[in-house]
Amino acid sequence: EVQLVESGGGLVQPGGSLRLSCAASGFTFGSHWMHWVRQGPGMGLVWVSRINPDGSITSYADSVRGRFTISRDNARNTLYLQMNSLRAEDTGVYYCARDVTLAGTGPHFGNWGPGILVTVSS
Amino acid sequence: DTVMTQSPLSLPVSPGEPASISCRSSQSLLGRNGYNYLDWYLQKPGQSPQLLMYWGSNRASGVPDRFSGSGSGTDFTLKISRVEAEDVGVYYCMQALHIPYTFGQGTKLDIK
Repeated sequence: EVQLVESGGGLVQPGGSLRLSCAASGFTFGSHWMHWVRQGPGMGLVWVSRINPDGSITSYADSVRGRFTISRDNARNTLYLQMNSLRAEDTGVYYCARDVTLAGTGPHFGNWGPGILVTVSS
Repeated sequence: DTVMTQSPLSLPVSPGEPASISCRSSQSLLGRNGYNYLDWYLQKPGQSPQLLMYWGSNRASGVPDRFSGSGSGTDFTLKISRVEAEDVGVYYCMQALHIPYTFGQGTKLDIK
């Protein structure tokens, strides 16, 4: 069974940093693109970032580029999101998601974690 | 960025009745391979989103056949032939062709 479990969220002051982790199991982690998607309180879904299977290609939403860094450790089956210079508008639930396609015809987010709450407030 | 516009934003439906959600994109989602890079997700209350449809009209594994998707280019539709109580939640379309990937605002379906 595919499982994705996020951790590392919490309350942080504006300007602070957090590192989110997403532990993956039940599939060959190192074969899949992985993504972060966030959802503000009572809001819709916003794509944040992606990383290719070997970690050599990354992309970001404009709102986080230069502040967030996505990375992965395929030996540990873990996805990360380093978040620096956090702002109030970064508050929300952060989901990691697996692109289930292997042939570059996606992404299709076939698996999602339960999400982790990040609150940026003084 | 590619803007995704859904309508309606609220959709009250009686059990057994059909439902339809429209999604329009500000840019074509037709890829060079002939696929439309448009997915549908459902977020049930208190849950993470789940994949419903991919490439506009392909049901994801385990999705009942009362769900269907259609459309091409910039105009897409998700239809539910007969709504059941378990279908309540927020439906999102998402374009997967242009970076940044973008979602529609969401359509909240509830039971009358």
